[in-house]
Amino acid sequence: GNSVTQMEGPVTLSEEAFLTINCTYTATGYPSLFWYVQYPGEGLQLLLKATKADDKGSNKGFEATYRKETTSFHLEKGSVQVSDSAVYFCALTPFTGTASKLTFGTGTRLQVTL
Amino acid sequence: GAVVSQHPSRVICKSGTSVKIECRSLDFQATTMFWYRQFPKKSLMLMATSNEGSKATYEQGVEKDKFLINHASLTLSTLTVTSAHPEDSSFYICSARVTSGYEQYFGPGTRLTVT
Repeated sequence: GNSVTQMEGPVTLSEEAFLTINCTYTATGYPSLFWYVQYPGEGLQLLLKATKADDKGSNKGFEATYRKETTSFHLEKGSVQVSDSAVYFCALTPFTGTASKLTFGTGTRLQVTL
Repeated sequence: GAVVSQHPSRVICKSGTSVKIECRSLDFQATTMFWYRQFPKKSLMLMATSNEGSKATYEQGVEKDKFLINHASLTLSTLTVTSAHPEDSSFYICSARVTSGYEQYFGPGTRLTVT
C-alpha cells in the first residue's frame, strides 16, 4: 500500500534559519506529491505540489523536488519566519483518475522563534 | 478560487445528541468530497469518501451508522455524528475534489466537543 514517512518533530528554529523537513514515500506507479500546512486551529492549506519526477514545487519561499530515485519530497526554505510556525504534512495521491485518496504523513510541527 | 467552507466551526453538544456538520464548495462543483478526523497532534485519518448522489464509502473501522454522510448536491456534503459520545470529540475536516481534477481543497475544520 501507499505510505508517507515524515521526520519526527517538533522542529525548533530561529528566525532566518534554513529549514528542511524530510519526507519519503512508498507507492506503486507514479504518485503526485503534496505539502500541506496547517496553522493552529485551522484546516489544511495546500503549500505546494509536484506531479512527476524531477518536478519542483514552490510557493511562499518553500520548495520541494520530486525525487523518484530516492522516493523523497523534502521541504526546504532558505530563511524561515515566525509566521511559518505551523504543522506541515507531506502527502501523496496515486494517479488513478478516480476518487484519489490522499495518504498523509504524521505531520511535522515547526516552531520558529525570534 | 477553490474555496471550501465548513459550518459550524465549533460545536459543543451533550452526550447522546446528534450533530450535523456541513461542507460546501463555494466556487466549484465537487463530485467527490472527503471527510477526515484529526486527533490532537496526529495526522488526518480518512473516514469516508462521499460521492454526489450515491452512498459514501467508509474506511475500515469507521461506523457508518454512527457517522452518517450525505452528498445531496455538487456543492454540499454533510456529516452527522449520531448519538455522540465524549470519545467522538475531535477536529473534523472535509475536503472537496474538483470534478475535472484530482486535487483536494480543504475546509477550515469543525471542532466538536461532546460533554
